[in-house]
Order: sequence, then structure tokens, then C-alpha cells
Amino acid sequence: EAGVAQSPRYKIIEKRQSVAFWCNPISGHATLYWYQQILGQGPKLLIQFQNNGVVDDSQLPKDRFSAERLKGVDSTLKIQPAKLEDSAVYLCASSETIPAAAGNTIYFGEGSWLTVV
Amino acid sequence: AQSVTQLGSHVSVSEGALVLLRCNYSSSVPPYLFWYVQYPNQGLQLLLKYTSAATLVKGINGFEAEFKKSETSFHLTKPSAHMSDAAEYFCAVSDAGGFKTIFGAGTRLFVKA
Repeated sequence: EAGVAQSPRYKIIEKRQSVAFWCNPISGHATLYWYQQILGQGPKLLIQFQNNGVVDDSQLPKDRFSAERLKGVDSTLKIQPAKLEDSAVYLCASSETIPAAAGNTIYFGEGSWLTVV
Repeated sequence: AQSVTQLGSHVSVSEGALVLLRCNYSSSVPPYLFWYVQYPNQGLQLLLKYTSAATLVKGINGFEAEFKKSETSFHLTKPSAHMSDAAEYFCAVSDAGGFKTIFGAGTRLFVKA
């Protein structure tokens, strides 16, 4: 079974530039997540989709970050304009449903490493 | 609101020694608890999870964790460390509604030869 695919793996941009990350979840997984992981910290949820609807985007800096999941499958996370503090690994993940009573496992991609200089 | 505290950002053990990584959680409802491992330059991988069945949970690679409600803890252990266990370990909690999974700050495990 193919895992969560992300691209690009590495990106270096200057501050105020824009960047986009792409994610393709595991086939059939209804829930898709974008996490931000700053060096030395645990993943922080940016946005969570259930199919193509947003379930939680309370920690997404909406003045500069945007995400979409058209057709309920793959997703794009965009940052515009980027700031130095956006340097982090952006992890995409998916699960079969919202991790409710079954305690569903979240499956992670390898991450997209962003450096803003 | 849920939260997770991992005690010790770094833990160092000798090969063959006991591994103990500590995790305490806060949740107003019965939680679901997870341990994930992250190897360098990779995403997170599930080690084990507690979903209100047995309180002692066995995972992959010889790891296990015990849910202790009275102590609000879910510590991760392995009887004998191997060099390949060197990685970062994250404890996570989600509530019964399962709407959000919160991750701890992580504990980096070093294994000395």
C-alpha cells in the first residue's frame, strides 16, 4: 500500500516569497492533516480536512497560509508571503476517518522541509 | 482541553539497557493515547496506541506502554535498547470525540554502544 506522498521534499526561499506544498494521502483516507513541525518541537496541527471540508483550522495563520483539498483527495498548502519563522517541516498526514472511538492511526508523509532566508 | 507533557527532551541509555520515556497527559474525557517514532529525515510512524482496551499495550520493535489513569501517565518502555532505537519519540493524545490529536514536544533517545 502506498503511503502519504509529499512534494517537494526540500525548499529554500527568501522571505516574502511564496511556496506551495502538495500532498497525496493514502487511498481511501477521508481525513487529511497538515502539521507544522519546528525544529525541536512536536507537530502542531495547522488544518484538518474531512473529505473536502475543513474540520479545524484554528491554528492556521490565515493572513499568510492557505490550504485546499479539492475533490477530497490531494491537498495543497500555500504560504504567501513567507516569514523567517515559517522555517519548519510541513507534515501531511491522513487517517481513515476522524480518529474517533476507534482511535484511528494517523499516517504521516516524510515531510516537506522549508527554509526561509 | 487536552495536553501532553513529555518529561526530558533528551534521554541517553547504553545499548542493552532499559528504555523509559515519560509521558503525562491531561484530558477531561477518557483519552486515546499514542506513541510515535520519528527517524531522521522521516515522518512519524506509529509505535503503539491505547484505545481503552488493555492498559498494557504492546507495540512494534519490542516497545510497550502502560496506561495509568490514577497517574495520568502513559510511559513508553523497552527492556533492552538497540542502536537502531535512536530516534525522536512523540507521545500524543486525542479525546473520545477524536476531533484533534495533540502531540508532545518529543524526547530524543540516544543509544550508546
